[in-house]
Amino acid sequence: EIVMTQSPATLSVSPGEKATLSCRARQSVSSNLAWYQQKPGQAPRLLFYGASTRATGVPARFSGSGSGTEFTLTISSLQSEDFAVYYCQQYDSWLPITFGQGTRLEIK
Amino acid sequence: EVQLLESGGGLVQPGGSLRLSCAASGFTFSTYAMSWVRQAPGKGLEWVSGISGNGGTTFFADSVKGRFTISRDNSKNTLYLQMNSLRAEDTAVYYCVRPPIAAPGTGAFDIWGQGTILTVSS
Repeated sequence: EIVMTQSPATLSVSPGEKATLSCRARQSVSSNLAWYQQKPGQAPRLLFYGASTRATGVPARFSGSGSGTEFTLTISSLQSEDFAVYYCQQYDSWLPITFGQGTRLEIK
Repeated sequence: EVQLLESGGGLVQPGGSLRLSCAASGFTFSTYAMSWVRQAPGKGLEWVSGISGNGGTTFFADSVKGRFTISRDNSKNTLYLQMNSLRAEDTAVYYCVRPPIAAPGTGAFDIWGQGTILTVSS
């Protein structure tokens, strides 16, 4: 199983500032990495797949980067609606597909 | 409109069985690999099982292998999850999920249903 580790567990940032979330895979997943945003009571929303391909409707202030074992989700200027839990997920191996434990982005 | 609508959740006793269904609409269902993802109360996301577009290949998380079966009926645009020997730790919201248009065979999940709740308790 490919273990995905996200850091930090909680990130406190002020609106308008930049947020950087990290995700590390125990072994290479190439670019088969996705990022999701989840707000309370809602299903997750895909932000990026292929590590850096923005999903439909995702604002340009969000960017995804990385390959192999190190990945980053950056939000350039935080808006109120961006405070949520973010998950990374590898799909390089279906045996099994694995998610990180999540990073909670909270208002400072 | 692209839509996934899950049904079949409920309260089941430990050791019991249940079948979840996911009705797909608004896209060519057979083109896409499909999966089930679950989320236990207050916890993170866990992929449960996936199936190829033609149904010929299936995958399972270790936590459900041998207890759960995934299948699809492309003529009915419906995905299923048969769950047997249910345990308390299977309690979760179960989501039916679909990949992006540009990557229909992958395990990235673009479209999510609203979820159906399974509670396993005596």
